[in-house]
Amino acid sequence: AQSVSQHNHHVILSEAASLELGCNYSYGGTVNLFWYVQYPGQHLQLLLKYFSGDPLVKGIKGFEAEFIKSKFSFNLRKPSVQWSDTAEYFCAVNARDDKIIFGKGTRLHILP
Amino acid sequence: KAGVTQTPRYLIKTRGQQVTLSCSPISGHRSVSWYQQTPGQGLQFLFEYFSETQRNKGNFPGRFSGRQFSNSRSEMNVSTLELGDSALYLCASAAGTGLSTDTQYFGPGTRLTVL
Repeated sequence: AQSVSQHNHHVILSEAASLELGCNYSYGGTVNLFWYVQYPGQHLQLLLKYFSGDPLVKGIKGFEAEFIKSKFSFNLRKPSVQWSDTAEYFCAVNARDDKIIFGKGTRLHILP
Repeated sequence: KAGVTQTPRYLIKTRGQQVTLSCSPISGHRSVSWYQQTPGQGLQFLFEYFSETQRNKGNFPGRFSGRQFSNSRSEMNVSTLELGDSALYLCASAAGTGLSTDTQYFGPGTRLTVL
């Protein structure tokens, strides 16, 4: 069965620090990969997604993620975080035409 | 364009009761998915509907059911409520044919508390 692991449940950083949130999945076939974000008091929204092509994907607000097939990973990165990046981040995976599986989320807290 | 709307936003029920939650997708979207979000289990997929047909189903008991109407609005029903059903229920809509290729747009959720 597919599964998604987000290694860090809670991350605290200072503004301008670099960010990397880990995401690993277990599935041997072709997958689609997503990062969603939920800002305080707001709806869950798509940050970026990977279906095929360039494994380095750029999303909104300066975020990017790299798909490394050999490591079954899709880590989220941002070179310099801002206080407004405080949110909960969810990695998600689905095999083509199958249900989507979410990780349990990482709460990111940015200190001003 | 109006976003995904869910009603009601908050609901309190007692064990054994049943509940119906409603979701109106973004205009023109034909796919609606439902998720259960809890602190312990995170976001778990319940089911997905497209053109009034259930296309995918998660690992939930038969007490959880849903349907989609011809205008793409969807409802989910939970019968014989248990304490563990307390959660935020999220609805997401997508434009195209399925989960794999389309961006999902989430609603604000319905917070269900079972006493």
